[in-house]
Amino acid sequence: ETVLTQSPATLSLSPGDRATLSCRASQSVSDYLAWYQQKPGQAPRILIYDASYRVPGIPARFSGSGSGTDFTLTISSLEPEDFAVYYCQQRTSWPLTFGPGTKVEIK
Amino acid sequence: QERLVESGGGLVKPGGSLTLSCAASGFTFSNYFMSWIRQAPGKGLEWVSYMNSVGNTIYYSDSVKGRFTISRDNAKKSLYLQMNSLRAEDTAVYYCAKFSNDGFDFWGQGTMVTVSS
Repeated sequence: ETVLTQSPATLSLSPGDRATLSCRASQSVSDYLAWYQQKPGQAPRILIYDASYRVPGIPARFSGSGSGTDFTLTISSLEPEDFAVYYCQQRTSWPLTFGPGTKVEIK
Repeated sequence: QERLVESGGGLVKPGGSLTLSCAASGFTFSNYFMSWIRQAPGKGLEWVSYMNSVGNTIYYSDSVKGRFTISRDNAKKSLYLQMNSLRAEDTAVYYCAKFSNDGFDFWGQGTMVTVSS
């Protein structure tokens, strides 16, 4: 099983700050990594697929990078609606796995 | 637009059974792979099961293998999850999600399953 580790667990930032979230895989997932955002009481929604491709309709302030085992989600300038939990997920091998999440909270 | 609506959740005793349904609309259901994903209260996301578009390729997580059965009816545009031998640790919100080469690109709002005596 490919284990995904996310860091930090919590990121305390202010609106307008840059957020950098990390996801590390226990083995190479090539670039088959997606990022999801989940707000309280809502279902997750996909932001980024294949490590760096933004889903249509997702603001350009969200970007993804990385390949192999190390990945980053960057939010260039936090908007109030971006405070949420972010999960990475790999689709290279079964079982499909998610990281434990990074909570981006208002400082 | 795309819509996925889960139903069938509720309170069940340990060892009991429950069947979840997911009704799809707004897209050609029969063309897409589908999955169930769950989230225990206050916890992260856990993938549960996958079925391809025609139903002949199925995967389960180890935590539910042998107890849960995924199925679909493309004519009814519906996905199902039969859950048997339920345990307290199966308590979670269960989401159905459309799975593409991009990932889980659309999710339902979820249905809560509580396993408790």
